[in-house]
Amino acid sequence: DQQVKQNSPSLSVQEGRISILNCDYTNSMFDYFLWYKKYPAEGPTFLISISSIKDKNEDGRFTVFLNKSAKHLSLHIVPSQPGDSAVYFCAAINTGTASKLTFGTGTRLQVTL
Amino acid sequence: NAGVMQNPRHLVRRRGQEARLRCSPMKGHSHVYWYRQLPEEGLKFMVYLQKENIIDESGMPKERFSAEFPKEGPSILRIQQVVRGDSAAYFCASSETSGRLYNEQFFGPGTRLTVL
Repeated sequence: DQQVKQNSPSLSVQEGRISILNCDYTNSMFDYFLWYKKYPAEGPTFLISISSIKDKNEDGRFTVFLNKSAKHLSLHIVPSQPGDSAVYFCAAINTGTASKLTFGTGTRLQVTL
Repeated sequence: NAGVMQNPRHLVRRRGQEARLRCSPMKGHSHVYWYRQLPEEGLKFMVYLQKENIIDESGMPKERFSAEFPKEGPSILRIQQVVRGDSAAYFCASSETSGRLYNEQFFGPGTRLTVL
């Protein structure tokens, strides 16, 4: 049962353009959502998060949008840079009852020159 | 402040052998989490430990897998009688106790286990 889904395994975007990565979840008990970035042979590193009481959180070039009614969140990167090329994982947690993160399967972003 | 340390980074075992994966959390962190990433999949939660206690092991396979986080020393994930299906990247994360809604988990670089 995949509770967090990233339906696009890969995405290619030109440098300077906007990258939009999508994530859907099924568990309505999730109340905190995170995006992690992962380079090959490294562990995931935290990028940005959002609480379910908000619908947008922005940090520099990165913005996360949350649509609770659709159980959908997205990560916008603008402008995209070659160094952004990595695998991006969406993760969710029910902060009230659990400490474990539930991850999506990841989207590989390739930013081309 | 050193990050989460995992060793070994790469581990090769033959079927039937034991694998021991070690994780040293960040300084000041008393919570440890283990996740497994199978090829082409996302990370899947295995177990959550605090010092000397297993808090949540709902993601651990029922047999052959065990985890500990002793009062002194690193957390250990132990896999007995490994099979080819255990080949994966195993990531450890740690967090502190802060009273916030969510205690950020910091990940180590992972141990890549290959079972021949």
